[in-house]
Amino acid sequence: QQKVQQSPESLIVPEGGMASLNCTSSDRNVDYFWWYRQHSGKSPKMLMSIFSNGEKEEGRFTVHLNKASLHTSLHIRDSQPSDSALYLCAASRGSALGRLHFGAGTQLIVIP
Amino acid sequence: EAAVTQSPRNKVAVTGGKVTLSCNQTNNHNNMYWYRQDTGHGLRLIHYSYGAGSTEKGDIPDGYKASRPSQENFSLILELATPSQTSVYFCASGDGGEQYFGPGTRLTVL
Repeated sequence: QQKVQQSPESLIVPEGGMASLNCTSSDRNVDYFWWYRQHSGKSPKMLMSIFSNGEKEEGRFTVHLNKASLHTSLHIRDSQPSDSALYLCAASRGSALGRLHFGAGTQLIVIP
Repeated sequence: EAAVTQSPRNKVAVTGGKVTLSCNQTNNHNNMYWYRQDTGHGLRLIHYSYGAGSTEKGDIPDGYKASRPSQENFSLILELATPSQTSVYFCASGDGGEQYFGPGTRLTVL
């Protein structure tokens, strides 16, 4: 069983809409969360990271973290077709060790 | 930007054969990783390394060996390849959590 669970498995949103992706860790020792984006046929690239309770915004992307429930969510507003990709959530115990546990991902499709 | 390269990019192997996947990074990162990616499983960690001469088992090490002869190079070795090892393999490097991935190797074992 994977330690990091993502939902939904796939998500279709219209262009200009809001996409909301969820991620929960079952490992209570993790305290850092990472979101990676992987376009079709490409390698994953880090999108955002969050370590503290609350939210963090970068442009159209907002990440929330609730450390008590080990739940993080990624919200993409004004979604664009170029946002269509596999979004991978990862968790780690601190940042120095560097070992990440990835979820299975959410496949986002933005329809023009 | 971080540069991680992998070779070969595509490989077809026969069952029982030996396969070596190579990875090179020019970022002077201490940590390097080997993952495989299969639909429905995301990225699963096979082996990783904290520096030259060190290798550690990840979550799915069975059937794989790793070698880190230098800071820049990290290899994944399949001594006796099986069809279940057909997958896309990614190498990554990174210190402190953010990892930089190579372009991937598509391996097919017939």
